[in-house]
Amino acid sequence: NAGVTQTPKFRVLKTGQSMTLLCAQDMNHEYMYWYRQDPGMGLRLIHYSVGEGTTAKGEVPDGYNVSRLKKQNFLLGLESAAPSQTSVYFCASNPGTSGGEQYFGPGTRLTVT
Amino acid sequence: TQLLEQSPQFLSIQEGENLTVYCNSSSVFSSLQWYRQEPGEGPVLLVTVVTGGEVKKLKRLTFQFGDARKDSSLHITAAQPGDTGLYLCAGDSTKAAGNKLTFGGGTRVLVKP
Repeated sequence: NAGVTQTPKFRVLKTGQSMTLLCAQDMNHEYMYWYRQDPGMGLRLIHYSVGEGTTAKGEVPDGYNVSRLKKQNFLLGLESAAPSQTSVYFCASNPGTSGGEQYFGPGTRLTVT
Repeated sequence: TQLLEQSPQFLSIQEGENLTVYCNSSSVFSSLQWYRQEPGEGPVLLVTVVTGGEVKKLKRLTFQFGDARKDSSLHITAAQPGDTGLYLCAGDSTKAAGNKLTFGGGTRVLVKP
């Protein structure tokens, strides 16, 4: 059981470039989430999904898009990267029952120059 | 918008000392979770408190949920260097679709040998 995995681990982009972050979970969880973590600000929710084929906006969705074509995968896209998107990005999953623990991936450190 | 404020933001203590981290909100949560995050990794759940006034112990860590379910504290007795990390509280609201969590800003704890 790998749990939640994220690729890549590190990435440097130039302003205006695009990229996709991949999250995969092997726990058959219904819900998946993308967060960004900035110093002193905890984790802020970007987008989330409550099942295959569904997505919804979180607290800070602007500049990001997501897709959940398969239950086990949740993709986060940046169409035109900006320096303000420099951050550490975490993916998480949850079984989908009421409440409960979120299981996090190891994170992707993204720098936009 | 529900907010969770953690204090202090940073705590540096000597091995063997005690410490307390606070998590406060003006909102009521159905449960509150505490996570620990080590450098380069994602957060890992330590405990979930559900009932107002509840106290849970995990070895040298004691977690308390306020009577009104708006605040929580984490107390570490006789801290050890292995307790070093970022501690995050997260509130779960029964009104939140998708089991979304509201995270506090985090408390960075450094235990020096």
